[in-house]
Amino acid sequence: GAVVSQHPSWVICKSGTSVKIECRSLDFQATTMFWYRQFPKQSLMLMATSNEGSKATYEQGVEKDKFLINHASLTLSTLTVTSAHPEDSSFYICSATGLAGGTEQFFGPGTRLTVL
Amino acid sequence: GENVEQHPSTLSVQEGDSAVIKCTYSDSASNYFPWYKQELGKRPQLIIDIRSNVGEKKDQRIAVTLNKTAKHFSLHITETQPEDSAVYFCAASRGGNEKLTFGTGTRLTIIP
Repeated sequence: GAVVSQHPSWVICKSGTSVKIECRSLDFQATTMFWYRQFPKQSLMLMATSNEGSKATYEQGVEKDKFLINHASLTLSTLTVTSAHPEDSSFYICSATGLAGGTEQFFGPGTRLTVL
Repeated sequence: GENVEQHPSTLSVQEGDSAVIKCTYSDSASNYFPWYKQELGKRPQLIIDIRSNVGEKKDQRIAVTLNKTAKHFSLHITETQPEDSAVYFCAASRGGNEKLTFGTGTRLTIIP
């Protein structure tokens, strides 16, 4: 149980285009989902927290107009990187909580974004 | 907000020896402290966690200790094996659906 999937696992796009990443909780209802970004050899940095049906809460320094987060259902959250640039190239990981009210976060496998 | 510091950044130990990684946190309201193992290009994998109502937790070769007064917690791996080589992250949160703040990571290398 407690499986989180992400799609796509990797994506390459041209500078200026938008990319959407999906995060799904497959066997539980995720009341809260988190989006992280991880640059090579660095730690996971939280970008935003999203609760189903409400606006995401962004961390300081994260542009909400550039990184659009939608948590439309209890099993799906999406992150759209708008007008992507090479500096947005990173490993994006989502996580979800909500299983029986527990604290543990269940992580997706991550999405490798490369912007040319 | 919460600040989590982690040391050392790299650690090499002989196979069979023990490894210890230490973290400190700043938010006295934090009460959930997980440890993750991450292999290259993979998701973080929870290996052990501890809540503030206990001082120590053990799972086979892995143990975590927590000192709430000093605001620090440590990961102990005994009888290390080559497959323990990875990057390890500590984290802290206020529990529930609250966000995790991660430490900077420790690259552990087990020397055969």
